[in-house]
Amino acid sequence: GAGVSQSPRYKVAKRGQDVALRCDPISGHVSLFWYQQALGQGPEFLTYFQNEAQLDKSGLPSDRFFAERPEGSVSTLKIQRTQQEDSAVYLCASSSRGLAGGPAYNEQFFGPGTRLTVL
Amino acid sequence: AQSVAQPEDQVNVAEGNPLTVKCTYSVSGNPYLFWYVQYPNRGLQFLLKYITGDNLVKGSYGFEAEFNKSQTSFHLKKPSALVSDSALYFCAVRALAGKLIFGQGTTLQVKP
Repeated sequence: GAGVSQSPRYKVAKRGQDVALRCDPISGHVSLFWYQQALGQGPEFLTYFQNEAQLDKSGLPSDRFFAERPEGSVSTLKIQRTQQEDSAVYLCASSSRGLAGGPAYNEQFFGPGTRLTVL
Repeated sequence: AQSVAQPEDQVNVAEGNPLTVKCTYSVSGNPYLFWYVQYPNRGLQFLLKYITGDNLVKGSYGFEAEFNKSQTSFHLKKPSALVSDSALYFCAVRALAGKLIFGQGTTLQVKP
């Protein structure tokens, strides 16, 4: 069964490099979330898409972070000019429920994450 | 603002004993609460959720959680712990637009 997949699983970047992290959500899932998990911490919200629309990007820590989901399926999180404080695990999650009205969200299904290390 | 607290960094139990991992929350309105488990180098796996209804929620792998509105708690429980239950456990509350707000996590160590 196809769950959420992420690539690469591990990424080492030199400070100042740009990186791109990919997320393939569960087929048909409308909602897609990105989270950042620092070592020893709980995941923290970065941004949310409903289909191709980015409805919430309040968690992006700086304008170096950019996310897109142009066709409403695969999403890419891009970090420009990486800094050491960007080192973390980046988690993607998808969910089958949309935002507009109705009952609460179903649970989010998480991918394995991309561990980014910035040297 | 919504928040979640997991007061214990680590919980140690012996195999076969009951376990409890604590979680308290702060939300405005009705809480939607979740428990996830994380094994090393893997993503989060959903265990159970509370949306409405019965205060005792049953989930995967024999886990259950008790919702207590007056104490604003949502503790994770299991009657008989297994060594394989050793992992990192996260409580989360759904916030606006569906994003999850997570606690800091509790490491569960089950010893044979």
